Amino acid sequence: QQPVQSPQAVILREGEDAVINCSSSKALYSVHWYRQKHGEAPVFLMILLKGGEQKGHEKISASFNEKKQQSSLYLTASQLSYSGTYFCGTESRGTYKYIFGTGTRLKVLA
Amino acid sequence: NAGVMQNPRHLVRRRGQEARLRCSPVKGHSHVYWYRQLPEEGLKFMVYLQKENIIDESGMPKERFSAEFPKEGPSILRIQQVVRGDSAAYFCASSPGQGGNIQYFGAGTRLSVL
Repeated sequence: QQPVQSPQAVILREGEDAVINCSSSKALYSVHWYRQKHGEAPVFLMILLKGGEQKGHEKISASFNEKKQQSSLYLTASQLSYSGTYFCGTESRGTYKYIFGTGTRLKVLA
Repeated sequence: NAGVMQNPRHLVRRRGQEARLRCSPVKGHSHVYWYRQLPEEGLKFMVYLQKENIIDESGMPKERFSAEFPKEGPSILRIQQVVRGDSAAYFCASSPGQGGNIQYFGAGTRLSVL
């Protein structure tokens, strides 16, 4: 089953914050977050391996609740360059493959 | 330090022809993944290969599609007798190992079937 992301789409003004959620029906070993701009390859943002762990990358951070099988991506003080579609990729223990989420389209306006 | 290289970037085929998509992983990576992406949709897993072995092909259509990752040379995704529904972007990713490893994506091959 494909992980479900919410919201499906969000529009922000520069400097605003956003949260993107990823929820899986399966027990997870890791969660990976990617951003894809139109017509380009997905670009890796971060990987989370442990329950409750939070990682950060500039003004983008993420958390992983292994028990709830959920991950959230936090974008603070958004910039125009943050526009794109965000995907979570979930990996279940022993499968070694990612199942990507439904995607969240984010657009940042000046 | 070259990343994942895919070619061709764009491929046009007529219905019934064959499409061959190539993927050279990051140097030193022995794990390759193929994904299909339809316009405005997410990435759908197709197949996971290690050198000379198919590990998981649960996302591959049973007919017309095949993949290989030989000991030497790039990974190949082959689509025989293409149909219009095969039109999509096909992305390849590579990683250095299993379990919790980052996958690095190529720029993709956009297949158009006329």
